[in-house]
Amino acid sequence: EDQVTQSPEALRLQEGESSSLNCSYTVSGLRGLFWYRQDPGKGPEFLFTLYSAGEEKEKERLKATLTKKESFLHITAPKPEDSATYLCAVQGGKLIFGQGTELSVKP
Amino acid sequence: NAGVTQTPKFRVLKTGQSMTLLCAQDMNHEYMYWYRQDPGMGLRLIHYSVGEGTTAKGEVPDGYNVSRLKKQNFLLGLESAAPSQTSVYFCASSYVGRSYGYTFGSGTRLTVV
Repeated sequence: EDQVTQSPEALRLQEGESSSLNCSYTVSGLRGLFWYRQDPGKGPEFLFTLYSAGEEKEKERLKATLTKKESFLHITAPKPEDSATYLCAVQGGKLIFGQGTELSVKP
Repeated sequence: NAGVTQTPKFRVLKTGQSMTLLCAQDMNHEYMYWYRQDPGMGLRLIHYSVGEGTTAKGEVPDGYNVSRLKKQNFLLGLESAAPSQTSVYFCASSYVGRSYGYTFGSGTRLTVV
């Protein structure tokens, strides 16, 4: 059965303290892995798509990487405005969303 | 450019009442989706549509119906609301093709009492 697990559930960082969020997956025939950002009271906002192991994508302070079993969202020198819930989703036979990591960045 | 617009934003229903959630997109996307988001459950697909006049069941379709009479609109109906349908509902749309992520609306918070 296809599965997606995100860790940690919550992460608290000080401004400028770099860290990584993890998305572990089990899927038969990965067709794509997606990262979204969700602010409170809003819908998810698309960030990246990754297709194959070794692929990397960057956007401002965010960098997503992919291996055959997991993806990491690296946050470099985060700012308070990076506070949000980050969702991972994997596309195999169907699209499955993880439960998200709630990131809080304190000034 | 509004993207995906959902109405209403909030609604309280009594058990057994019916309602329709409206979703409109102005990006000429072929695919549209309805999800519900519950604490600890993540986003779960209710129904989806791959084009005007077509709909299909997702992961949790029971108790819901949908219609896509126009390409830009996707309606989600609850015929007889139940407390288990208390949730935040998101509509999304996408282009055809694997490289495109979904564009989500801002959600409808529904409470069934």
